[in-house]
Parts: sequence; C-alpha cells; structure tokens
Amino acid sequence: AQSVTQPDIHITVSEGASLELRCNYSYGATPYLFWYVQSPGQGLQLLLKYFSGDTLVQGIKGFEAEFKRSQSSFNLRKPSVHWSDAAEYFCAVGAMEYGNKLVFGAGTILRVKS
Amino acid sequence: NAGVTQTPKFQVLKTGQSMTLQCAQDMNHEYMSWYRQDPGMGLRLIHYSVGAGITDQGEVPNGYNVSRSTTEDFPLRLLSAAPSQTSVYFCATLIQGDLYVGYTFGSGTRLTVV
Repeated sequence: AQSVTQPDIHITVSEGASLELRCNYSYGATPYLFWYVQSPGQGLQLLLKYFSGDTLVQGIKGFEAEFKRSQSSFNLRKPSVHWSDAAEYFCAVGAMEYGNKLVFGAGTILRVKS
Repeated sequence: NAGVTQTPKFQVLKTGQSMTLQCAQDMNHEYMSWYRQDPGMGLRLIHYSVGAGITDQGEVPNGYNVSRSTTEDFPLRLLSAAPSQTSVYFCATLIQGDLYVGYTFGSGTRLTVV
C-alpha cells in the first residue's frame, strides 16, 4: 500500500536557524509530491510541488524541497526560519497509476523559538 | 471564480443525527474528493469521484455516503453521526495535464458530534 512517513511529530528551531522537515514515501509508481502548510484553525496552503523535471523545487515563503528517488524522500528545507513559519506541515504523495488519490503524512508541527 | 466552496464551516450534531456537507466547485474539474483531518493522522481520503455518476471509496469510507450527479457538486452524507466522526472535513478537486497536476482544497468544515 502507498504510504507517507513524516518521522518528526514536533520540531523546535530558533528563529534564524535553518530547517529541514523529512518526508519519506513508499510507492510502486512514479509519484508527484507536495508540501502543504496549515496554521491553527486554517486550511491548507500549498508550499511547493514536484511533478517532473528538476528535482530541486522552489516554493513560496523561501521554502525548497529536493526529490531523491533513490532514497524515496522529499525533504523540505528553509535556510532561515521566521517566527511566522510556526505551523503544521504536511507532505503528500499521489500518482496517476493509483487514481490520483493523495496520501498524506501525519504532519510535523514546527515551533519557532525567539 | 470561487474555486472550491464548502458549507457549512462549522456544525455541531447530536449522535444519530444525519447531515450533508456540501462541496461545490466552479472550475469544471472532473475529479473531486473528501478528506477528514484528525490530530496526528494527517488527512485521510474518505471518498472520491472521477466524474459525474462515478464515485469510489477511499481509505476511511465507513459511515459516509457520496453521490455525484453534476460536475459541480460532491456532497458528503453522514447518515447517523457518531462521536468518532468529529473531525475537520476538506473537499478537494484535481486538475492534471501532461506536465501539470494540481489540487484545490476548500476551506474545511469543522464537525463536532456530541
């Protein structure tokens, strides 16, 4: 079965420090991948996505992610975190071969220390 | 262009009551889906539809019914609400092409079953 793992439930970083959120997936097909961010009580905002082509993807708010097929990973990075980045982050994976059903990770809650 | 509209935004039900969560889109997307979000579990697919008259089950379909009589609407029905259905519900559409894939999410319905 398709699955997405976000190993870190909570992460705390200091403002200005770098950030990496991990995402690993298990899929039997060529996936497309997304990172979403959700502030408390809010909906989902798309940060970035990978469909094909360049494996390093740039997104909004200074985020980037790298698709590594050999490691089945799609980690999210940001060089310098701002207090406003505190939120919950979700990795999601889909594939046309699986009917485009989007499978989400459990999420990582980011706390930013000032 | 409203995108994906979900109503209501908030709802409190008593155990055993029925209700319908509405999802409407004005983008003419064939693919629509319903997810539920629970703490620590990310979003899980309930039902999805690839076009009018076609629906299928996702990961957690029990207790929910759907129908798709038009391209625009994809209502989710709870026939007899249970406390375990307390959750935040998101509707989403999909558009894809040869070099593009994108999901559009509604703003969510927060349901409490007491």
